[in-house]
Amino acid sequence: DVKVTQSSRYLVKRTGEKVFLECVQDMDHENMFWYRQDPGLGLRLIYFSYDVKMKEKGDIPEGYSVSREKKERFSLILESASTNQTSMYLCASKTQGAEDGYTFGSGTRLTVV
Amino acid sequence: RKEVEQDPGPFNVPEGATVAFNCTYSNSASQSFFWYRQDCRKEPKLLMSVYSSGNEDGRFTAQLNRASQYISLLIRDSKLSDSATYLCVVNIASTLGRLYFGRGTQLTVWP
Repeated sequence: DVKVTQSSRYLVKRTGEKVFLECVQDMDHENMFWYRQDPGLGLRLIYFSYDVKMKEKGDIPEGYSVSREKKERFSLILESASTNQTSMYLCASKTQGAEDGYTFGSGTRLTVV
Repeated sequence: RKEVEQDPGPFNVPEGATVAFNCTYSNSASQSFFWYRQDCRKEPKLLMSVYSSGNEDGRFTAQLNRASQYISLLIRDSKLSDSATYLCVVNIASTLGRLYFGRGTQLTVWP
């Protein structure tokens, strides 16, 4: 089974801190994605990457950046955390095949105080 | 306009009931379709892919109507453990592998 591992399950950070969320997948998937999920808003795509060092903005990239230096690792960076970035963050990966769905990590619940 | 629209529910049904969820998608270049299940405070997990001819997996049946751009999920003989949020998901050609998610339909099965 594909495993997508997110480094932290719960995280509490202070406003203004720089926050790193890490995601690692072990099945050589080309595509990796970062979403946030908030009640009533569903899943919203922040950034994604289809290859090493490649990144694409999703629907809500403001306040975030990403890094993909190795194929298996995709990092989400909150440059200066704010309280409105309190959310569940979900990482996902997939192959480039159209017939394949995502495999998600178990999520990081981030609280910014 | 959202790419994928779902009735958010909630659907509250007794054990043993049959329940159907519907979903519409707006982009005719959509090429593959999925239903995901998400339990409370957990990550979404793939329930089943949806094929043009329709497909069944035990108590679950998925249907696709490309002409109407409509996807459905039927759950027969509902179990308490089916309580979850069901997400309709679409892959659109030429979007670099990105999937588009509906907001989900919440199901509660009561004893």
